[in-house]
Amino acid sequence: SQQGEEDPQALSIQEGENATMNCSYKTSINNLQWYRQNSGRGLVHLILIRSNEREKHSGRLRVTLDTSKKSSSLLITASRAADTASYFCATEGSARQLTFGSGTQLTVLP
Amino acid sequence: NAGVMQNPRHLVRRRGQEARLRCSPMKGHSHVYWYRQLPEEGLKFMVYLQKENIIDESGMPKERFSAEFPKEGPSILRIQQVVRGDSAAYFCASSSGGTDEQFFGPGTRLTVL
Repeated sequence: SQQGEEDPQALSIQEGENATMNCSYKTSINNLQWYRQNSGRGLVHLILIRSNEREKHSGRLRVTLDTSKKSSSLLITASRAADTASYFCATEGSARQLTFGSGTQLTVLP
Repeated sequence: NAGVMQNPRHLVRRRGQEARLRCSPMKGHSHVYWYRQLPEEGLKFMVYLQKENIIDESGMPKERFSAEFPKEGPSILRIQQVVRGDSAAYFCASSSGGTDEQFFGPGTRLTVL
């Protein structure tokens, strides 16, 4: 699989439920970032977690990072219809470039 | 404080024409990155520039594609003799030297007929 690969590819939940998305990567990283992209739009930066951090919160978002397993998870609590979007993880290694996964398409049903 | 600006937002070209995509970074940012997104895929890194310098172009196709970030003015991604496979969304991001976060522009959607 590619660096920064998300799982699942698609997720459909009811409003109010929690949504969990996972990301796996292969090489060592400086940080891992999560982005949201609404259909046909640009990317919105959600949260950045550094390689020496294990967990980070921002509002309804909770991100974990396990460098030993080279994986991260994004939890969105109490989901809303407006959370419907594609979610991408991106890793930054020694080079400044970000390596993106193919994304998880989240659909929150009202 | 304006964010990253890209223009045009949509660009239609016929095969063989040239496409020029512009990116103005956020104020105070001197690092610019270009990414390409094909339909239903994630973004793929193309090139990383600082003012007047190409730092990393490992993601750029060897032919027809070039990028610059002059001392004055926006960064330009230039695609010569476009082909249908160049149809994609092209995103620019910028960062300051001391932070890790890259701020993305709204993208330019290129359609090659």
